[in-house]
Amino acid sequence: DAKTTQPPSMDCAEGRAANLPCNHSTISGNEYVYWYRQIHSQGPQYIIHGLKNNETNEMASLIITEDRKSSTLILPHATLRDTAVYYCIVRVASYGGSQGNLIFGKGTKLSVKP
Amino acid sequence: DTAVSQTPKYLVTQMGNDKSIKCEQNLGHDTMYWYKQDSKKFLKIMFSYNNKELIINETVPNRFSPKSPDKAHLNLHINSLELGDSAVYFCASSNRLFTDTQYFGPGTRLTVL
Repeated sequence: DAKTTQPPSMDCAEGRAANLPCNHSTISGNEYVYWYRQIHSQGPQYIIHGLKNNETNEMASLIITEDRKSSTLILPHATLRDTAVYYCIVRVASYGGSQGNLIFGKGTKLSVKP
Repeated sequence: DTAVSQTPKYLVTQMGNDKSIKCEQNLGHDTMYWYKQDSKKFLKIMFSYNNKELIINETVPNRFSPKSPDKAHLNLHINSLELGDSAVYFCASSNRLFTDTQYFGPGTRLTVL
């Protein structure tokens, strides 16, 4: 079972920031927070991951709370092409057999509207 | 250049048939995976494989078998297809087993009639 909780759906206006929350209250010290997204009919796409510190790349920013029990994925300027299901996943940071599996939950369906 | 590719994109077949889905990655990764996404959109891992070990999700029927002719390919063979096998199947790859970012293929939509 997924170890994360996400809202089932969110709307965002085009050009505005999209802030997608994720709760992972049982996260362990050796587990990363990963974000993937799945645009309709396509394979999941890696977005970003982090352990403790906030992270930023060309796609998004990841803000992790100090207690690591929750995080927020930020798409700074959402476009219509960002409409997708976004998955927040926790996984071990080092090889631990199948414990390192990506376990996908239901995710958040983000709809970016013009 | 597609990093992870799958063929075919669509596959329609009759119950009881045997079919294969091919996957190739040009990323130089050591590990490949197969996932199944059912009609409720849940995405679940079926297999992970590198040149040292195959890890099978215990819920996968033994009618499903991965075959790896070389490090860049992991094909999925399905025997005696059943209606419940209808789903989208995704191949993925990563540099190392489980610990690295996984890159997914475009998926193969299998429909069993």
